[in-house]
Amino acid sequence: AQSVSQHNHHVILSEAASLELGCNYSYGGTVNLFWYVQYPGQHLQLLLKYFSGDPLVKGIKGFEAEFIKSKFSFNLRKPSVQWSDTAEYFCAVNTADTGRRALTFGSGTRLQVQP
Amino acid sequence: EAGVAQSPRYKIIEKRQSVAFWCNPISGHATLYWYQQILGQGPKLLIQFQNNGVVDDSQLPKDRFSAERLKGVDSTLKIQPAKLEDSAVYLCASKLGSSGANVLTFGAGSRLTVL
Repeated sequence: AQSVSQHNHHVILSEAASLELGCNYSYGGTVNLFWYVQYPGQHLQLLLKYFSGDPLVKGIKGFEAEFIKSKFSFNLRKPSVQWSDTAEYFCAVNTADTGRRALTFGSGTRLQVQP
Repeated sequence: EAGVAQSPRYKIIEKRQSVAFWCNPISGHATLYWYQQILGQGPKLLIQFQNNGVVDDSQLPKDRFSAERLKGVDSTLKIQPAKLEDSAVYLCASKLGSSGANVLTFGAGSRLTVL
């Protein structure tokens, strides 16, 4: 069964600092990869996704993520965070080659950006 | 387009009582999911529907949880009897088709507290 690991549980940064959140998954086949964000009091929303092609994908609000197949990783990055980026970030994966395509989520990383 | 609607938003019950949550997905979305999100964890799949059929309920605690989507549109998740460990946010999500490349849209969730 697939699983997702997010090693940073709580990250505190100052505004303008650079961000990298780690995500590793365990599945040997073809995967689709996602980052979702949950701002305080709001729904889970899609930040970005990778299905195929260029392993560097860009999402909303200046976020990007890089798929490194050899490392089973899909780390999220942002060069300069803002206070409004304070939220919980979830990495998720589903398999592209089986009938069960429900998302498996990591445990999440709580990002706190201090002004 | 209207989002995924869920009700109630909040529910407090005592252990051994029953509770039901309702979800109305985005119009035309064939696939519907119920996820359980315990505080400090990522969402965990409970059940996946494709139209009115169950695709995956392998992680649904069937001795106490049940779910239906009789007409392939809205869905109900029931817990009877509730246990303390069922305290969580119950998230409903939907997507247009069955492909793993389709993106999920989440509702706001129903927060259950079991005393």
